Amino acid sequence: DAKTTQPTSMDCAEGRAANLPCNHSTISGNEYVYWYRQIHSQGPQYIIHGLKNNETNEMASLIITEDRKSSTLILPHATLRDTAVYYCIVRVATAAGNKLTFGGGTRVLVKP
Amino acid sequence: GAVVSQHPSWVICKSGTSVKIECRSLDFQATTMFWYRQFPKQSLMLMATSNEGSKATYEQGVEKDKFLINHASLTLSTLTVTSAHPEDSSFYICSARARGAGELFFGEGSRLTVL
Repeated sequence: DAKTTQPTSMDCAEGRAANLPCNHSTISGNEYVYWYRQIHSQGPQYIIHGLKNNETNEMASLIITEDRKSSTLILPHATLRDTAVYYCIVRVATAAGNKLTFGGGTRVLVKP
Repeated sequence: GAVVSQHPSWVICKSGTSVKIECRSLDFQATTMFWYRQFPKQSLMLMATSNEGSKATYEQGVEKDKFLINHASLTLSTLTVTSAHPEDSSFYICSARARGAGELFFGEGSRLTVL
């Protein structure tokens, strides 16, 4: 699976949009971009995933560049409960394996 | 989303004893389950992949005789840490994937402390 690069940490203000970047310049054509987050001492929580098109769900929006070498996760209105480590992962969604390899992630601190 | 439950949430044991952690998919059949380990302030490290009815596939550097994984049914996988030592103290997390599904769902994690 392709490697991803994320900033180590970032702060954002409560109520404002949080934009989390992720670089995946070696992504291949059949690899999806997945985002998970991990709140302290809990298991990771699935947020969103996409292949080429931008995606939106009740939690967040995922913007993938046209060349697919980078993406941005957008939390539209950050709350204090969004404080967590956010992981950007690229992987092939095949029937076999399907394992997720976690990088360092971005530690997001939402401040009042 | 789908629910994956782990038990126990935390466990303290004496050095040399064995500890079993259960991972259950509550509302779906999990053909594949994954076990991760996470040390403080570090990311998740994949330990092994387990497919229902077959032997687990371990990642490089993970001792299969120490970390016994059983995936006997489509809703249950177990991880047994044998002869636990203080360095095995960690946060153990499982994840499960439903048949034909893309995303993985994670359990709440089990914190093991070996004294």
